[in-house]
Amino acid sequence: EIVLTQSPGTLSLSPGERATLSCRASQSVSSTYLAWYQQKPGQAPRLLIYGASSRATGVPDRFSGIGSGTDFTLIISRLEPEDFAFYYCQQYESTPNLTFGGGTKVEIK
Amino acid sequence: EVQLLESGGGLVQPGGSLRLSCAASGFTFSLSSMTWVRQAPGKGLEWVSTLTGSGRSPYYADFVKGRFTISRDNSKNTVYLQINSLRAEDTAVYYCAKPRGTDLHYYFDYWGQGTLVTVSS
Repeated sequence: EIVLTQSPGTLSLSPGERATLSCRASQSVSSTYLAWYQQKPGQAPRLLIYGASSRATGVPDRFSGIGSGTDFTLIISRLEPEDFAFYYCQQYESTPNLTFGGGTKVEIK
Repeated sequence: EVQLLESGGGLVQPGGSLRLSCAASGFTFSLSSMTWVRQAPGKGLEWVSTLTGSGRSPYYADFVKGRFTISRDNSKNTVYLQINSLRAEDTAVYYCAKPRGTDLHYYFDYWGQGTLVTVSS
């Protein structure tokens, strides 16, 4: 099983600041097979990024994904009030046993 | 517009059973695998099970250990998750999700709103 470790657990930032979220895999993941989701309290996850760097339909361009191998990053260039939420990475290299990271909470400082 | 609507959750005693349903619309259901993902209170996301569009190939997470059964009725555009021998650690919101990608490599572009399963005496 590929274990995904997200850091930090909580990121405290102000609106307008840049957020950098990390997702580290226990073994190499093809860059094609890494996704990021946003989840707000009481809501279902929302797909943000797939293929490590491709934005899903309707996702603002302030969200970007980079990375390869075992290290992946989600960047939010300028935080908007609606961006304060939980973020999860997911690998789909080793399906059907796909796995999610433990999540990063982006909170208002 | 793709819609996924789960139902069937509730409060159940340890050792009990539930059948969750997910009604889908807005896409060609029989051509799409479907997946269940769960989230325990205050915890992260956990893949549970995936079933191919034909219904012939189910896949399960290791923790299922024969207690869960995924099935589908393509005439009703519905996927099910039968959960038996429920344990306290099965308490979670159960989401159905529509995979996108290939049969071997997929992420999830649509999610239902979830149904809460609470296991408690």
